[in-house]
Amino acid sequence: GNSVTQMEGPVTLSEEAFLTINCTYTATGYPSLFWYVQYPGEGLQLLLKATKADDKGSNKGFEATYRKETTSFHLEKGSVQVSDSAVYFCALFKETSGSRLTFGEGTQLTVNP
Amino acid sequence: KAGVTQTPRYLIKTRGQQVTLSCSPISGHRSVSWYQQTPGQGLQFLFEYFSETQRNKGNFPGRFSGRQFSNSRSEMNVSTLELGDSALYLCASSLKDEQFFGPGTRLTVL
Repeated sequence: GNSVTQMEGPVTLSEEAFLTINCTYTATGYPSLFWYVQYPGEGLQLLLKATKADDKGSNKGFEATYRKETTSFHLEKGSVQVSDSAVYFCALFKETSGSRLTFGEGTQLTVNP
Repeated sequence: KAGVTQTPRYLIKTRGQQVTLSCSPISGHRSVSWYQQTPGQGLQFLFEYFSETQRNKGNFPGRFSGRQFSNSRSEMNVSTLELGDSALYLCASSLKDEQFFGPGTRLTVL
């Protein structure tokens, strides 16, 4: 079946540091890949997506590239801010699985001033 | 365009009771999915409704059920509540592969 594995957290960084959160997936064919962010007390917000190999999703300074050869979709940001502190979820969507997202475990990011 | 709304935002119930949660999707979205989020199990898919029909179901016991109305609003019901049902229940509406989540309903079972 489909699965998503994220790097173990939590991650603590200083403001303006470089961020990488690793995500790898297992699925047949070409799923769509997503990063969602969850701020305390809120639901999930779509951060970015990529739907085919070598696509790069980007939003608010965050980027992730769909790598079919390594089945990865790592999240990066060049300079994090305190306001980026949240939980980040990698997810995949496969149409043959219906409208079902398969999520990774989530990575808690804390950015200190 | 208004986002996904869920009511109530918080609920406290006791073991053995039942509960109904409501979700109103984004206008024009016909698919509604439900997820359970707990610290131990993470985000787990419950079920999906499309045009009033359950199209997909996760691996949850029959105590968890749902339905969708003709206006795409959806409800989920949990009967005979157990302590382990304490969780954040998230609803998402979708158009194709993008799912948009509501703020969730925090259910506490005592």
